[in-house]
Parts: sequence; C-alpha cells; structure tokens
Amino acid sequence: DTAVSQTPKYLVTQMGNDKSIKCEQNLGHDTMYWYKQDSKKFLKIMFSYNNKELIINETVPNRFSPKSPDKAHLNLHINSLELGDSAVYFCASSVPFWGQGSAGELFFGEGSRLTVL
Amino acid sequence: DAKTTQPNSMESNEEEPVHLPCNHSTISGTDYIHWYRQLPSQGPEYVIHGLTSNVNNRMASLAIAEDRKSSTLILHRATLRDAAVYYCILRPRSNTGKLIFGQGTTLQVKP
Repeated sequence: DTAVSQTPKYLVTQMGNDKSIKCEQNLGHDTMYWYKQDSKKFLKIMFSYNNKELIINETVPNRFSPKSPDKAHLNLHINSLELGDSAVYFCASSVPFWGQGSAGELFFGEGSRLTVL
Repeated sequence: DAKTTQPNSMESNEEEPVHLPCNHSTISGTDYIHWYRQLPSQGPEYVIHGLTSNVNNRMASLAIAEDRKSSTLILHRATLRDAAVYYCILRPRSNTGKLIFGQGTTLQVKP
C-alpha cells in the first residue's frame, strides 16, 4: 500500500491548457506539501497545508492553485500552462518536527512529470 | 536560511564504506542536520538526522563535528542500490517542513 500516491505519473499537454495533479496519503499525517524539481534537478517547496489550511506559499504564480478537500488529500491545479512549468512535481506529507523524538520526516510520492509542449 | 555545501559527486566500490561530507559553517543552535536521498526516478527519502551527538540507524550513521560546522553521512557497506543523490539539509526545531535542498552529492557505486 503506497503511503503517498500521486496521479498521474506522467502528463504531456499543450501550452495554455489547464491540468491537475492529485495526491493522497494514507499515513494519517496532518501536513502535506507540493515540491517542484526543475530540469536542473533543484527541489523547491511550493506549498504546504496543515489540516486543510495553507501555511506555506512560496511566491508561486497565481496560475498554481492547491486544494485540500481533507487532510489526506492535496491536489494541485495549474491554469494556462507555460513551457517553464515543465518539471517533476512531488507531493509529500509529514508529522510536525519538534526536535526531539520523531524526525518529522517528509514522505514523498514518486512524482508527477509534467511536460508542456 | 543556513546553507550547506556538499561535493557534487563521489564514487565508491560496492561493499566498501562511503563517507559523504557536508559543511554547514553558519548552522545555528536550533538547526538539526537532516539527510535525505533521492534514488533515480523516485522522490526523496529520509535517511537520518541529528543535533549534536553521532546517530546510527538501519540505513546509515551520522557523525557530527564537535563545533557542528560539518557532518558526515556514513554508509557502512555501499550497495548498488545506494546509488543516489544525497542531500544534507539544516532544519530548525519546529520547522514547518520547508526543506531547503541544495545540489546534493551524486553517489556512484561501482560493482
């Protein structure tokens, strides 16, 4: 049973289209994230939700809109896709990290590779 | 955000120990040292973390310098499956989960 699952795994689309990537976690975590890995392999956080509430928004264009219907799901909707949006998008979840005990490690999905033509 | 510096790449032979270094000279007192790795075509996965003392778990060991300005991830016997990009990340206590990934160290393991 996959802990953090994303769909679709691959997405090829034309510029200007709107697309969504779905993420579900079955770990019972309160916090979920979207990270983006660009063509140079740099990983950067985009958004974080805690119990359906947005807590991190890293100056991502308004064309990107995360939605969390419940704490087990965090979807990413992208409007008016541009060439520069081509990347691998990773969903992750975690428990809080307070320094002692639990590592608060992030569990990542396998990624969704978006290619914009 | 405190930065880390790692070598771009390293090579190892299978079944030999591997020492992956990380410099973090601007580490603050509340920063924990976390290591993640990313296997090819997969998402990153947690490896180990520590604050001041050396740490061991089933995957690896973490050796932290006394002044905490550097640390070393130790894989005791590298296998081909350990070929990955290894990221050293500083994470403050009560951090929201915003991990700052650098370029990491790409580890090649030769049979």
